[in-house]
Amino acid sequence: GAVVSQHPSRVICKSGTSVKIECRSLDFQATTMFWYRQFPKQSLMLMATSNEGSKATYEQGVEKDKFLINHASLTLSTLTVTSAHPEDSSFYICSARDPTSGRWEQYFGPGTRLTVT
Amino acid sequence: QKEVEQNSGPLSVPEGAIASLNCTYSDRGSQSFFWYRQYSGKSPELIMFIYSNGDKEDGRFTAQLNKASQYVSLLIRDSQPSDSATYLCAVNMRRGGSNYKLTFGKGTLLTVNP
Repeated sequence: GAVVSQHPSRVICKSGTSVKIECRSLDFQATTMFWYRQFPKQSLMLMATSNEGSKATYEQGVEKDKFLINHASLTLSTLTVTSAHPEDSSFYICSARDPTSGRWEQYFGPGTRLTVT
Repeated sequence: QKEVEQNSGPLSVPEGAIASLNCTYSDRGSQSFFWYRQYSGKSPELIMFIYSNGDKEDGRFTAQLNKASQYVSLLIRDSQPSDSATYLCAVNMRRGGSNYKLTFGKGTLLTVNP
């Protein structure tokens, strides 16, 4: 399957600061990447769809000014959590699908655990 | 009705037994279905996908799809303690036009006892 990396794996920041998370597709070019959030003992919730060269599409209830997404190249998407608050503490996971495969499987990165103090 | 429903479990089976995980979905037009395994504290790992009615086998795993009943299942044969994890059912659901959204169930926690 396709390989997706994420950095950092874990970050602790103070309330009010911003945090950037990187998601990279390592062995394919991903025109579309996806950002999910998972709270403890809950399932994955899609936050936004990141499109290379255009604006991201955000799910209902997700603040686009708070969660900034930049898909600057075919292998890199970034999520910046601005003015983070303790309630933003969560497990953030990106995924991508290989558009050349003609199939719909999404492959997930290892995730970033954000703790806001 | 929830979009993707799974029995939250926990499901406990002895080592060597068959574990059966079930999932139902609400969108009759869905075309692609996935099973992910998630270990505690880790991200989901794709273990099976199925697009056509019937069975699909890969090693100890068999995915079964019945679109008429809107039902998809995962069988794990010869269960091992290392199979203990949460299993997430995911369905690609239509959002209009050619847009789809991968929608997850809440997951079933499987414990395989040595």
